[in-house]
Amino acid sequence: GAGVSQSPSNKVTEKGKDVELRCDPISGHTALYWYRQSLGQGLEFLIYFQGNSAPDKSGLPSDRFSAERTGGSVSTLTIQRTQQEDSAVYLCASSLVVAGGPGTDTQYFGPGTRLTVL
Amino acid sequence: DQQVKQNSPSLSVQEGRISILNCDYTNSMFDYFLWYKKYPAEGPTFLISISSIKDKNEDGRFTVFLNKSAKHLSLHIVPSQPGDSAVYFCAASEKYNYGQNFVFGPGTRLSVLP
Repeated sequence: GAGVSQSPSNKVTEKGKDVELRCDPISGHTALYWYRQSLGQGLEFLIYFQGNSAPDKSGLPSDRFSAERTGGSVSTLTIQRTQQEDSAVYLCASSLVVAGGPGTDTQYFGPGTRLTVL
Repeated sequence: DQQVKQNSPSLSVQEGRISILNCDYTNSMFDYFLWYKKYPAEGPTFLISISSIKDKNEDGRFTVFLNKSAKHLSLHIVPSQPGDSAVYFCAASEKYNYGQNFVFGPGTRLSVLP
């Protein structure tokens, strides 16, 4: 079916507000990743889901960031009390994680959500 | 401390010539490497990969070379085309540790001049 989709594509919010970003992975992909790309920077890993569980949350920048995934599909990244330094493009990727075989864990990226915190 | 480095933030190449994008890594546990291409306002797209059991992988105009002893890999594009102009990210992972995230480099912006 379709590739990874993310919504909204753009979000402008005021400092201190909460925002929720959504990611719909490719159907059947068990692994889901969140990254962010700040202006002029590379991709910064945030969190990874295998199914509904996130074994490694150490990449989240602060406790204002949280993510969940339900039903092994859609994931939401929530940023509470947004700050200006949270402004970035937030990218979601999914991969088919099965044992063995090259390319099975290649990540397929969504178009991203551009977050601007005023 | 960056585990994956792309020391050239930008590169300009004439159409038809070879583009060489370099990537260095520090984690000796990395054994699977990928290159992604990213156009403005789009997510990165997978380009080519290589596992540590190989030192070269070729796909059309794109060839990736891996030098494990030097912890260095490079992406060669030949001949370069204007449509290749994009940001190229190198990424690495411990492939057989499926709970491990991919580590991306900061990217190199390639401009292919007509």
